[in-house]
Amino acid sequence: EADIYQTPRYLVIGTGKKITLECSQTMGHDKMYWYQQDPGMELHLIHYSYGVNSTEKGDLSSESTVSRIRTEHFPLTLESARPSHTSQYLCASYSGAGGYTFGSGTRLTVV
Amino acid sequence: GENVEQHPSTLSVQEGDSAVIKCTYSDSASNYFPWYKQELGKGPQLIIDIRSNVGEKKDQRIAVTLNKTAKHFSLHITETQPEDSAVYFCAAWDSGGGADGLTFGKGTHLIIQP
Repeated sequence: EADIYQTPRYLVIGTGKKITLECSQTMGHDKMYWYQQDPGMELHLIHYSYGVNSTEKGDLSSESTVSRIRTEHFPLTLESARPSHTSQYLCASYSGAGGYTFGSGTRLTVV
Repeated sequence: GENVEQHPSTLSVQEGDSAVIKCTYSDSASNYFPWYKQELGKGPQLIIDIRSNVGEKKDQRIAVTLNKTAKHFSLHITETQPEDSAVYFCAAWDSGGGADGLTFGKGTHLIIQP
């Protein structure tokens, strides 16, 4: 049973539009992460947060931005979508023990 | 930071045979090694993990082994079944530099042939 939720599951949007991908978790985890997954499977860390008001850029440069105003909510925003942003976006959280819990992902297509 | 190499990128085995996926890591300070399974249209799910004070761990048909000296760990799946077809990721916990968190391998696409 997933305790981390991503919406929407699928999104097709035109170039230049602003979009926000939602990620929410009900587990009270402080650490949260956003990954971009390319068609070749590899997971690329694009943003992470250690808690409220904490946001950092990951290993892969991204034109997206994130915010962490509440512990349970970690949305990702693209101000102006481009075809190069077409990808699968995965959100994850971490309790402090064990591994990450991932959401089901948002598959974004920019046309 | 940590660097995790995973092989092979694609593995095809006959149903009922065993499958082995191997990973190496670079940071000797890493002490936690989880494995994830990602089915089509879903996010990765933790299937088994091992800590550096343990050499082997088993859960039904899956097992993980860790060789700290050689800095490599492996996932073993026995008696493979069609539902084992998925992408598998290994990871190592990196507590130094950058994000304090997991570094993932590039993934292995496991195909179970009927």
